Amino acid sequence: GQQVMQIPQYQHVQEGEDFTTYCNSSTTLSNIQWYKQRPGGHPVFLIQLVKSGEVKKQKRLTFQFGEAKKNSSLHITATQTTDVGTYFCAGGQDYKLSFGAGTTVTVRA
Amino acid sequence: NAGVTQTPKFRILKIGQSMTLQCTQDMNHNYMYWYRQDPGMGLKLIYYSVGAGITDKGEVPNGYNVSRSTTEDFPLRLELAAPSQTSVYFCASSPSTGWTEAFFGQGTRLTVV
Repeated sequence: GQQVMQIPQYQHVQEGEDFTTYCNSSTTLSNIQWYKQRPGGHPVFLIQLVKSGEVKKQKRLTFQFGEAKKNSSLHITATQTTDVGTYFCAGGQDYKLSFGAGTTVTVRA
Repeated sequence: NAGVTQTPKFRILKIGQSMTLQCTQDMNHNYMYWYRQDPGMGLKLIYYSVGAGITDKGEVPNGYNVSRSTTEDFPLRLELAAPSQTSVYFCASSPSTGWTEAFFGQGTRLTVV
């Protein structure tokens, strides 16, 4: 079945620095979604990418979908304490949404 | 607007007991999902439903059962609880799968002792 892998599992970032988290699928995806989960909270939808090579931006967050539609990345610039949480990618295939294990981000002030 | 509502928020079960986790959505979504989240393991799909009367297994269905008698409700039943079922359970819904966002409930934290 479909597997979605994320790296790194943990990201410790100095406030103001940039970082990138990566998502790789064992199969070609119809689309990919990104979610953020704050500590103690539930996953909240951030964005969806559908087209090969698609790039979308939300303020300091940049999302990319690979040309082969098997990988994706999330790049955060000028990290802030509000960016703390776990970021999940999720691949849609058939009727299911399969989640990666997530990248947990902590920020040093 | 309530969205996806899960009850209870917390529960402690003894080994061998049974319980039902409730999930209700008021958005008239066809697709509903149950996930479990273990520390550092992401979200694992237990069961899903594409509409009333239709359910199917996800990645980790053993020890669980579901039903979908109405569009709004998608309860998850645990029979003979085991310590391995200690986890946080999330219910989610979406108008369709893979093409639109999924809305999550607040979660149920279950401990089996």
